[in-house]
Amino acid sequence: QKEVEQDPGPLSVPEGAIVSLNCTYSNSAFQYFMWYRQYSRKGPELLMYTYSSGNKEDGRFTAQVDKSSKYISLFIRDSQPSDSATYLCAMSTPGGGADGLTFGKGTHLIIQP
Amino acid sequence: DAGITQSPRHKVTETGTPVTLRCHQTENHRYMYWYRQDPGHGLRLIHYSYGVKDTDKGEVSDGYSVSRSKTEDFLLTLESATSSQTSVYFCAISALAETQYFGPGTRLLVL
Repeated sequence: QKEVEQDPGPLSVPEGAIVSLNCTYSNSAFQYFMWYRQYSRKGPELLMYTYSSGNKEDGRFTAQVDKSSKYISLFIRDSQPSDSATYLCAMSTPGGGADGLTFGKGTHLIIQP
Repeated sequence: DAGITQSPRHKVTETGTPVTLRCHQTENHRYMYWYRQDPGHGLRLIHYSYGVKDTDKGEVSDGYSVSRSKTEDFLLTLESATSSQTSVYFCAISALAETQYFGPGTRLLVL
């Protein structure tokens, strides 16, 4: 079963706040987990990529994977108005990326100045 | 940014007409994909390619065909466009079939 759940929002927070974005999934075979950022009328942009469980940090962004709970998160520290976008989680199985990623429907994030 | 271009970027067509969208990459990546993005459905895979002349169907392939005669080009054809194919179409590329990089998209309106 290929299913990924993601709250569509909108999620509105004040500038400088810590943002938490989440996805849950049902397929225990997923091993690769990604977060994409999509600005209005633009293509998705790869933000973070992790393999299996654990944390990965890149600047103000931290991706977290908990395979035991089938739950992934993206944290944004010191949020900025330029972070306002739709955030898509995506995942794939080993070698399964050859037939595409499974995406959440995206969370619309608004950072209020 | 990954070297991916899509053409045309916008197109308006009429029901029943054929439409071809082009994806061009300069990264020499093996894998190429076509997705459509619709409100309430998110991104859905239409077709993908794992090499020249090697293609396969995705989740929503009915009414679409693809061709890949060169590594750098992946064409998506709507043989007879319908209003349900009004959407935003994204091409993506991947070197190792794990992470994918997306193009800027084509907005298609079928009247």
